[in-house]
Amino acid sequence: QKEVEQNSGPLSVPEGAIASLNCTYSDRGSQSFFWYRQYSGKSPELIMSIYSNGDKEDGRFTAQLNKASQYVSLLIRDSQPSDSATYLCAVNRPQGAQKLVFGQGTRLTINP
Amino acid sequence: GAGVSQSPRYKVAKRGQDVALRCDPISGHVSLFWYQQALGQGPEFLTYFQNEAQLDKSGLPSDRFFAERPEGSVSTLKIQRTQQEDSAVYLCASSLGASQKNTEAFFGQGTRLTVV
Repeated sequence: QKEVEQNSGPLSVPEGAIASLNCTYSDRGSQSFFWYRQYSGKSPELIMSIYSNGDKEDGRFTAQLNKASQYVSLLIRDSQPSDSATYLCAVNRPQGAQKLVFGQGTRLTINP
Repeated sequence: GAGVSQSPRYKVAKRGQDVALRCDPISGHVSLFWYQQALGQGPEFLTYFQNEAQLDKSGLPSDRFFAERPEGSVSTLKIQRTQQEDSAVYLCASSLGASQKNTEAFFGQGTRLTVV
């Protein structure tokens, strides 16, 4: 079992709709959770971080964390073509040696 | 500079050649990570430094890979006797510290290594 799992997609969503991206992790000691966006040929860009159970909203983005279910999700409202990218879920364990572990990413396409 | 800087951006190496990849993290960032990313895959963890101490090198694929951060700032990833399977993008990331809210990591542009 991989430490962080994501559906690789591709996920296709019409413009203006809500895109929902999901991630599960195996290490119950994980305490920091991140979503990165990666455009083709570019490096990952941090878009959301979440540390506590519940929802965290930032503009059109909402991150959701459920530690009991070991589940993290990212919702993108009013999807735009510029949101088309690969979205990477990452998990970290800050005590002692950090190990920021990534999922394989979900490729999202927003159709105009 | 304001962000993480990596050099070179592109490197072509002949099989068997040694290469050195440089990472200059954000000023003041304690934590530094190296990742290897193959096409279509997520970044794979290679190693982690807290200041000059290499606290985790569990992801280094073989003893041909070596990383250092001697003064707790700039880091170098060295690959000896490169093989074709080493071809990938090598990403460096840094974060402010080790407490929970300081673990947001920011990436450099990466070095694309091609072994021919």
